[in-house]
Amino acid sequence: ETGVTQTPRHLVMGMTNKKSLKCEQHLGHNAMYWYKQSAKKPLELMFVYNFKEQTENNSVPSRFSPECPNSSHLFLHLHTLQPEDSALYLCASSQGYRGPGEAFFGQGTRLTVV
Amino acid sequence: AQSVTQLGSHVSVSEGALVLLRCNYSSSVPPYLFWYVQYPNQGLQLLLKYTSAATLVKGINGFEAEFKKSETSFHLTKPSAHMSDAAEYFCAVSDYQGGKLIFGQGTELSVKP
Repeated sequence: ETGVTQTPRHLVMGMTNKKSLKCEQHLGHNAMYWYKQSAKKPLELMFVYNFKEQTENNSVPSRFSPECPNSSHLFLHLHTLQPEDSALYLCASSQGYRGPGEAFFGQGTRLTVV
Repeated sequence: AQSVTQLGSHVSVSEGALVLLRCNYSSSVPPYLFWYVQYPNQGLQLLLKYTSAATLVKGINGFEAEFKKSETSFHLTKPSAHMSDAAEYFCAVSDYQGGKLIFGQGTELSVKP
């Protein structure tokens, strides 16, 4: 049990579909993150939320839309994706601005766009 | 801006041999440094972290890393490799802002019997 739970673990979607990834943390953290992990590429930080406010968007295409309703939940809404968006999407949480606390990761959602 | 470079995308060792995975960082502020391990189809698990206390940091599963400011390095070592150590290892850096990790490219460790 990592304290960070992602659902679903696997997702196959067509390019015209709309789906959402969910992340929930039970660690009392104030910061949450979305990372993208593609084959043969470094982990890419996509979005950062601190105290429910988006504090970073690393030039992510608008077909990815994050939502953070509270400090414990983070969503990634997906629409009109491309095959190159197929990857492992990892959610993480940390204490946030108060300190250098390490990030705790979920198991990831393996996304395949067909 | 901070960055991390991991030397060698793939390292292969024999069971029982020394494991050495290299990480160099760049940071304009005193860094916090981390090593994570990832097993296939899993998330990342923290191995150890450096947060400006002791320069030699011990982690889980017998791993340790030494922070060397003069060399801007944070190499990961384990005296004796075990088959179960086969995985991908990531070095990461963060600043005082806390938690936003910048990762290296990863090093895949293979352990031969």
